[in-house]
Amino acid sequence: VLTQSPGTLSLSPGERATLSCRASQSVSSSYLVWYQQKPGQAPRLLIYGASTRATGIPDRFSGSGSGTDFTLTISRLEPEDFAMYYCQQKGTSPRYSFGQGTKLEI
Amino acid sequence: EVQLVESGGGLVQPGGSLRLSCAASGFIFNDYAINWVRQAPGKGLEWLSFISGSSRHIYYADSVKGRFAISRDNAKHSVHLQMDSLRAEDTAVYYCARDVSDHIGDSYFNIRFDPWGQGTLVTVSS
Repeated sequence: VLTQSPGTLSLSPGERATLSCRASQSVSSSYLVWYQQKPGQAPRLLIYGASTRATGIPDRFSGSGSGTDFTLTISRLEPEDFAMYYCQQKGTSPRYSFGQGTKLEI
Repeated sequence: EVQLVESGGGLVQPGGSLRLSCAASGFIFNDYAINWVRQAPGKGLEWLSFISGSSRHIYYADSVKGRFAISRDNAKHSVHLQMDSLRAEDTAVYYCARDVSDHIGDSYFNIRFDPWGQGTLVTVSS
């Protein structure tokens, strides 16, 4: 089980955002992924392997962590960064699972 | 451009059936597994099913096991999700997503879903 916190994060453009994803059991960093989802849109890949930015993702996005604790950091929020963020892991059964999400709002 | 496009959603009565399709383009289809993920209104993401490139490996979430069946047609670059015995709680937007990974020999790592289709809405209601 993946637990994301906080459920909602209220910040202003230019501020730093720190989103947490905690696993109930140790997860290989290779299997920890972050997605961004905006209203009415499909999720978009942000970070995989816990810390590797996907193609086209700005370097203000960074991922870190290992074991059971992972973090997505947005160094300086831009207006377009306000969205839902989900972490995902590959497990055994079920094969994949998602955290419940963090809403990043202005 | 790598693209996935879902179709087949709509309104269905409880107990009914629906078949979703996911059409792929822009990549070597046989080389990639495909997943189905759904999102109920106002809720988070729920992984449903996985099918490998060869269809040799298939997995389901417990919530749909025995009711949903995933399949693929590599000649037509498409994946299908047959949904039977539908319930109100199956109401959601259904996405297909390409399963991407790096590998060395038989070891797979850096698994991620990329890209996702735009989704198709399934509404189960009388």
